[in-house]
Amino acid sequence: NAGVMQNPRHLVRRRGQEARLRCSPMKGHSHVYWYRQLPEEGLKFMVYLQKENIIDESGMPKERFSAEFPKEGPSILRIQQVVRGDSAAYFCASSPDSHNQPQHFGDGTRLSIL
Amino acid sequence: RKEVEQDPGPFNVPEGATVAFNCTYSNSASQSFFWYRQDCRKEPKLLMSVYSSGNEDGRFTAQLNRASQYISLLIRDSKLSDSATYLCVVSNTGGFKTIFGAGTRLFVKA
Repeated sequence: NAGVMQNPRHLVRRRGQEARLRCSPMKGHSHVYWYRQLPEEGLKFMVYLQKENIIDESGMPKERFSAEFPKEGPSILRIQQVVRGDSAAYFCASSPDSHNQPQHFGDGTRLSIL
Repeated sequence: RKEVEQDPGPFNVPEGATVAFNCTYSNSASQSFFWYRQDCRKEPKLLMSVYSSGNEDGRFTAQLNRASQYISLLIRDSKLSDSATYLCVVSNTGGFKTIFGAGTRLFVKA
């Protein structure tokens, strides 16, 4: 399966712990996007990355959240000191060489904070 | 005004009906347009791109009106399996900006 791979599918954390979400883009895709979706709500853009660069992080909270897309390996969305409000589905998408091309989504990570 | 606005839902239609969704966008420099569908608790999936001349894929027809800044999606002969949320997506020029609409929920009933 050459699709966008996200792991884990489900992640449970206690308040104050760290959550790490991983995303491997489709083969040949160099653009990665992260979105958050709360129950019964729409997708909210968080961050757009290319290899080793953050292009747009305007949708990401300034504190506790960070993202990276290293030269080797998957993109990581990291949430430190999680709170109940971080519970959501986090989707990663990738596209080829331009943000004007359609994005392809992974299955998402469902994050639950106890 | 939101950058991308969609018809409020939900739409409840019987099988076999024709249903149309509209989506308006505010940035006249927008360059690329797409429709996605999202099933409950699943990831969004690309349904079709929208081209200036309009395009059709089976029972689905997408149209773009640049002058009025809206795109539409027409679904003919609705199936139960068409029940989903339909997302309008607009990409702008001049740097990254891909905006997802909030979605329109469709329920097709037997």
